Formats: sequence, structure tokens, C-alpha cells
Amino acid sequence: DAGVIQSPRHEVTEMGQEVTLRCKPISGHDYLFWYRQTMMRGLELLIYFNNNVPIDDSGMPEDRFSAKMPNASFSTLKIQPSEPRDSAVYFCASSFRTPTDTQYFGPGTRLTVL
Amino acid sequence: KNQVEQSPQSLIILEGKNCTLQCNYTVSPFSNLRWYKQDTGRGPVSLTIMTFSENTKSNGRYTATLDADTKQSSLHITASQLSDSASYICVVGNTGTASKLTFGTGTRLQVTL
Repeated sequence: DAGVIQSPRHEVTEMGQEVTLRCKPISGHDYLFWYRQTMMRGLELLIYFNNNVPIDDSGMPEDRFSAKMPNASFSTLKIQPSEPRDSAVYFCASSFRTPTDTQYFGPGTRLTVL
Repeated sequence: KNQVEQSPQSLIILEGKNCTLQCNYTVSPFSNLRWYKQDTGRGPVSLTIMTFSENTKSNGRYTATLDADTKQSSLHITASQLSDSASYICVVGNTGTASKLTFGTGTRLQVTL
């Protein structure tokens, strides 16, 4: 398996624009997680899915953020409108059967909002 | 408030030397503790996961210890290599659900010649 795949790897956009980040989890994994990482706050869990269903989105910072998982092999994290403070590295991770199983992270998307 | 504190923030050691990273937590009720290694520009990779009943776990040259009474964990790296240069993140979970994970801000380790 190629591991967790994320795209794009880098995204530079202007404030106010819509940003969509994409993730393909490891095949057969039931759980998918979206994280954000900044120097100031470290890693933060934004939302996670179980079998394509959102379980907990309490980490989503505000209504400008939304996430979907239309099927077992694809998820998106959308920011609309984007703001400079959204600049961070966004990671997607997946785990096999439970959220406490080892989580496998993707390479991340580095987002810069100007 | 659930918190995970790591020390030191950064560390420089010579290749071949040992080092120990510390993690103190106030997460309750405790479920598990994980150590991740994150290379620059990459996602974190799990090194160890320990539950309440485990007080030590090894993964090659990495050995993690857990003292649930004092709420402390350490990650010991033996005979360090240049490839150990990375950030090491301590993550503590409670109730066994991912939404209850609390992350430390990491220790940045640099191994030099």
C-alpha cells in the first residue's frame, strides 16, 4: 500500500479564497483523522470519521472549516473563506479498526494564506 | 484542563550518545500514551503506544517508560544516529477515543557528528 496520500503538498492562496485539501486513507482502515500543525499550537485534531461518518468535529475551529468523506477512499477538508491565520500544515491520518490503533499519517499539505 | 508538557524543548547530542526525553501529563482519566517521531517535512510516525498496565515498551533503540502514578513518561534513545534527528511528540489519550487525544508540543532532537 502507498500509505496515506494527500494533495496538494503545498498550497499558496490569497485571503478570502476557498481551499480544498484532499486525502486518500490506507485501504481497509475504518478511521480517518484531520489534524492541523503550527509552531505555536503543535498538532491539533480537527475532526475524525468512522466508516465515512463524522464522529467528532469539536476541534474544527469555526464554520469556515468543513470536512466530508463521501466514500471509504476519499476525504476533503475545505476552508471557505481562508484567512492568514489558517496557514499551517494539515495532516490526514488513518487507523485500522479503532481510533486508538496506530495512526498512519500522510505527508501533509503546507497551506499558506497571504 | 488536560495538558501534556514535554522537556526539553530542544536538544543537541553527539552521534553515539544516549538521551532521554520527558513527558508529563495531567490527562484524566488516562487511557494510553503514544510517542511519535516526526522528521522535518513529514508526518508523524508512531514509535510506541502504552496503556495503563504497561510501564515499558521498546522499539529497536527506542525505549518508552510510563509511570501512571506520577503521570510521567520518558523516551530513551540508545546509541543515537544522525537519522534520529527529528521532533518527538508525546500524545496522551483518555477514554480510548481519538477525540480525547492531548498533544505535547514536542522535543526537537538534533544529532551531530
